[in-house]
Amino acid sequence: GENVEQHPSTLSVQEGDSAVIKCTYSDSASNYFPWYKQELGKGPQLIIDIRSNVGEKKDQRIAVTLNKTAKHFSLHITETQPEDSAVYFCAATSTGNQFYFGTGTSLTVIP
Amino acid sequence: NAGVTQTPKFRVLKTGQSMTLLCAQDMNHEYMYWYRQDPGMGLRLIHYSVGEGTTAKGEVPDGYNVSRLKKQNFLLGLESAAPSQTSVYFCASSYPLQPYEQYFGPGTRLTVT
Repeated sequence: GENVEQHPSTLSVQEGDSAVIKCTYSDSASNYFPWYKQELGKGPQLIIDIRSNVGEKKDQRIAVTLNKTAKHFSLHITETQPEDSAVYFCAATSTGNQFYFGTGTSLTVIP
Repeated sequence: NAGVTQTPKFRVLKTGQSMTLLCAQDMNHEYMYWYRQDPGMGLRLIHYSVGEGTTAKGEVPDGYNVSRLKKQNFLLGLESAAPSQTSVYFCASSYPLQPYEQYFGPGTRLTVT
């Protein structure tokens, strides 16, 4: 099966700085890569995703990049704000019925 | 739209007891999933369903059973709870085509003593 690794496990940044979270995957058949944000006591919520036929996608302060050759994808958050503090998960799937998640990154934005 | 709802929100069981977790979605999604979340391990897929009346095993299915008798409901059962099943359980649903956006419920925190 697929194996998704995520780094770092914790990340602290000053407000206004950028944050980058990286994931690697093992199955070349994976073709959809979502990123989720989970706030304390809540379920994960999709914040951005990318398909395998696209190299980069941006939505305001959030962007995701995908390198299919190297089998890695990254989440970039610019101009971080305190409300960005949460746990972020990457995931991968090839069929949409089995998702494989990374182990999560706890992001703290220091005001 | 309520989205995805889960009941109960919290539960404490004794070893050997049984219980059923209920997930309901009102978005007419074909796909539904049950995950467990443990510290440092992310979310792991227990079972999933691609449509009414069908279920399949995920990464960690042992000790759990599921049923999808109605399209909007997905039940997760623990027949004989064990302390290793102490976890937070999340249900999710999605459409069967890309972008496969999953909508998650608020979770059920289960403690087995």
